[in-house]
Amino acid sequence: RKEVEQDPGPFNVPEGATVAFNCTYSNSASQSFFWYRQDCRKEPKLLMSVYSSGNEDGRFTAQLNRASQYISLLIRDSKLSDSATYLCVVNGAGTASKLTFGTGTRLQVTL
Amino acid sequence: AAGVIQSPRHLIKEKRETATLKCYPIPRHDTVYWYQQGPGQDPQFLISFYEKMQSDKGSIPDRFSAQQFSDYHSELNMSSLELGDSALYFCASSPPPSRNEQFFGPGTRLTVL
Repeated sequence: RKEVEQDPGPFNVPEGATVAFNCTYSNSASQSFFWYRQDCRKEPKLLMSVYSSGNEDGRFTAQLNRASQYISLLIRDSKLSDSATYLCVVNGAGTASKLTFGTGTRLQVTL
Repeated sequence: AAGVIQSPRHLIKEKRETATLKCYPIPRHDTVYWYQQGPGQDPQFLISFYEKMQSDKGSIPDRFSAQQFSDYHSELNMSSLELGDSALYFCASSPPPSRNEQFFGPGTRLTVL
């Protein structure tokens, strides 16, 4: 079983739709949580950090439930440019600790 | 804004050859990480350096070694290359003091023939 689990999708949604991605992690010692997006053959780009209080950045909202070890990402008013793979990522304790990636959820936004 | 720089961007090698990948972190970032991403896979952590000392180690083969230099750039040295080493190699850096968020470079695409 992978340490970070995501539904691989693909999620095919029309422009303007709201879409939600979920993720679970198994290591209760994980300290930091992120969503990255990755376009084909490009580097992962940090989309947002995820906090227990929840956080919002424009059309994007992330939530963390430590008790359930569950992370979510909500994208409102989807744009064509949102089409990418969304990676759920956790970081362990300690300085310079590794990131552990989920397998990613593929999103395709269509006209 | 300045980003992580990696060189070369593409590299083609024969089996059993050696390769050196270079990474220049974002200015004022003191921590560097290396990841390997095979086709259709998620990035896998190889090794990290903090203040020029190895900090954490993942699934890095013994044939690979890495170091961080006084200017904080890092090099990943790969010897006795195998076909299975063909992958995208990403370097990431993170800033003090928290060093939580990691910012990735564009990657080096290594092809072993």
